[in-house]
Amino acid sequence: SSELTQDPAVSVALGQTVRITCQGDSLRSYYASWYQQKPGQAPVLVIYGKNNRPSGIPDRFSGSSSGNTASLTITGAQAEDEADYYCNSRDSSGNHLRVFGGGTKLTVL
Amino acid sequence: QVQLVQSGAEVKKPGASVKVSCKASGYTFTSYYMHWVRQAPGQGLEWMGIINPSGGSTSYAQKFQGRVTMTRDTSTSTVYMELSSLRSEDTAVYYCAREEQQKGVEGIYYYYYGMDVWGQGTTVTVSS
Repeated sequence: SSELTQDPAVSVALGQTVRITCQGDSLRSYYASWYQQKPGQAPVLVIYGKNNRPSGIPDRFSGSSSGNTASLTITGAQAEDEADYYCNSRDSSGNHLRVFGGGTKLTVL
Repeated sequence: QVQLVQSGAEVKKPGASVKVSCKASGYTFTSYYMHWVRQAPGQGLEWMGIINPSGGSTSYAQKFQGRVTMTRDTSTSTVYMELSSLRSEDTAVYYCAREEQQKGVEGIYYYYYGMDVWGQGTTVTVSS
């Protein structure tokens, strides 16, 4: 079982704002990183640290964290944002160990 | 350009071992950790372990301890992941992904820099 918990599915109307959450004890001291994965493709890093976007990631993607919950927010969701999203952070059982959340399927209506 | 190129698809019988390679190019190989992540059909991402190409140190997810071995060859900028005692549940796409070798600090939080470049994936099928 995963130490990071995500809702299995979330939907959003085109152009609206959606928040995808990730819960876990390690998030009280480590920011999560977030990955987008489309069918048949390798994951893509979209957010790391407090709220850092790699080059090429649109600024409609943002990250935040409070207590044991990390959030990925998409402001003005586009059709191309429909994908699976995964959080990743430190596994509380040891240094250098990581864990992924179970993933959230985002549907853009 | 920065890229990770993985070896081709494998078909193995239960009980066998598989060794997947990941060749890095376009950056300083020893300056980035390498992770291995797998994804079973229709399932989520599963973190397997990490190797520091600089010294070869490794850390493995508890689930794979005793069955997985990650190694590197600095002369060819290649990392390897070997998984033994294969069973049908190991059927998956296996990815390598690099990450900067530093940890950030902001306020009371630490953070990793994230897996910013991924290989194309290697399909491993375990079937009798």
